[in-house]
Amino acid sequence: GAGVSQSPRYKVAKRGQDVALRCDPISGHVSLFWYQQALGQGPEFLTYFQNEAQLDKSGLPSDRFFAERPEGSVSTLKIQRTQQEDSAVYLCASSLRLGSPFPTDNEQFFGPGTRLTVL
Amino acid sequence: EDKVVQSPLSLVVHEGDTVTLNCSYEVTNFRSLLWYKQEKKAPTFLFMLTSSGIEKKSGRLSSILDKKELFSILNITATQTGDSAVYLCATDTGNQFYFGTGTSLTVIP
Repeated sequence: GAGVSQSPRYKVAKRGQDVALRCDPISGHVSLFWYQQALGQGPEFLTYFQNEAQLDKSGLPSDRFFAERPEGSVSTLKIQRTQQEDSAVYLCASSLRLGSPFPTDNEQFFGPGTRLTVL
Repeated sequence: EDKVVQSPLSLVVHEGDTVTLNCSYEVTNFRSLLWYKQEKKAPTFLFMLTSSGIEKKSGRLSSILDKKELFSILNITATQTGDSAVYLCATDTGNQFYFGTGTSLTVIP
């Protein structure tokens, strides 16, 4: 089956615009994660879903960032009133189930990322 | 098709052992290769490699890149139980990141 897919792959937005980034996880994966990766840095955790429940959103940098996964599969990360500091690659990952006693269930599979540039 | 392949998929060793994790890649417009240690939710950045033959070290971890043969290795010496994690390799092409599926390392006391 297909891996994790993300769209769009690149997005250029003018400062102040709203953007929506989509993630399609691997079918059957319960856990879904969003990360923000600035140039030359490691991924920074943003938020995490178990099915449709957003269990952890401690990494969202401001209330301009909002994520949802209404049916427990596809997820959307929305950034309102984008700022230049929002420019980064936004990575999505999914795993079978975080917290499973089986280590392989916790393995995260990453999508290719969406590169957001805010002008 | 661009891809990153890691091996082995999983590894179980005893404390004190030395391990070598492999990452091979085929990507267009290669810019850098990155290694991460993944525990629970968020991967921890380990190394970024851009030049061949220059070893990067951090404590018991070291890594090197071979841009001619298109691979990198991550070495961990004198392993400890705290090294148990999934180790991810990724390439940055400037347009996107390609991640391998990781090597799951378990260190037994």
